[in-house]
Amino acid sequence: QVQLVQSGAEVKEPGASVKVSCKASGYTFTGYSMHWVRQAPGQGLEWMGWINPNSGATNYAQKFQGRVTMTRDTSISTAYMELSRLRSDDMAVYYCAREYPYSKEFDYWGQGTLVTVSS
Amino acid sequence: QSALTQPASVSGSPGQSITISCTGTSSDVGGYNYVSWYQQHPGKAPKLMIYDVRKRPSGVSNRFSGSKSGNTASLTISGLHAEDEADYYCGSYTNTTTWIFGGGTKLTVL
Repeated sequence: QVQLVQSGAEVKEPGASVKVSCKASGYTFTGYSMHWVRQAPGQGLEWMGWINPNSGATNYAQKFQGRVTMTRDTSISTAYMELSRLRSDDMAVYYCAREYPYSKEFDYWGQGTLVTVSS
Repeated sequence: QSALTQPASVSGSPGQSITISCTGTSSDVGGYNYVSWYQQHPGKAPKLMIYDVRKRPSGVSNRFSGSKSGNTASLTISGLHAEDEADYYCGSYTNTTTWIFGGGTKLTVL
């Protein structure tokens, strides 16, 4: 069965970077784009960007351009999201989500990774 | 790009029906049939409930249905169950090859 398993919670100081991983299993990793979505405490979902695991092509939300980098390692079916220059308002749960290729929805989600930004 | 507009909260009694609206623009909701709806229980990841405006993934109850008119999409839940109590988010593809979500609606089953 399809599974997206994310790395564990992180605590970072303001100005630092965080890198979250998302390991896929149960399907062909390179056949589906992977998206990253975050959710601040008590807030809604916010789309951050996507990566095509086959080509490595990316597209980021304008808000995060210059601070976010999405990469992948096809040998271990894992996608990564790195966010730099962390601020207190970056504290959130970060999710990876698979895009169904014949439509534009997110059919499977990781369990989420809590990133705490605190000095 | 601003989030899609959803009501902050809706409520209904068991057995009743409720509808949640999701308003965007011609650049997102109105321009594509790529509207999806997600259910999120506290502390859990979102779950896909509706895609392509009105299609249901396998395993999702037929009590959930979707529709769209112009720039506004809607999610209807009929025959409310206690376990339907959750946050609901709409999402849409946009004309800049990005995605956007609504602000979320908290459904309370009275």
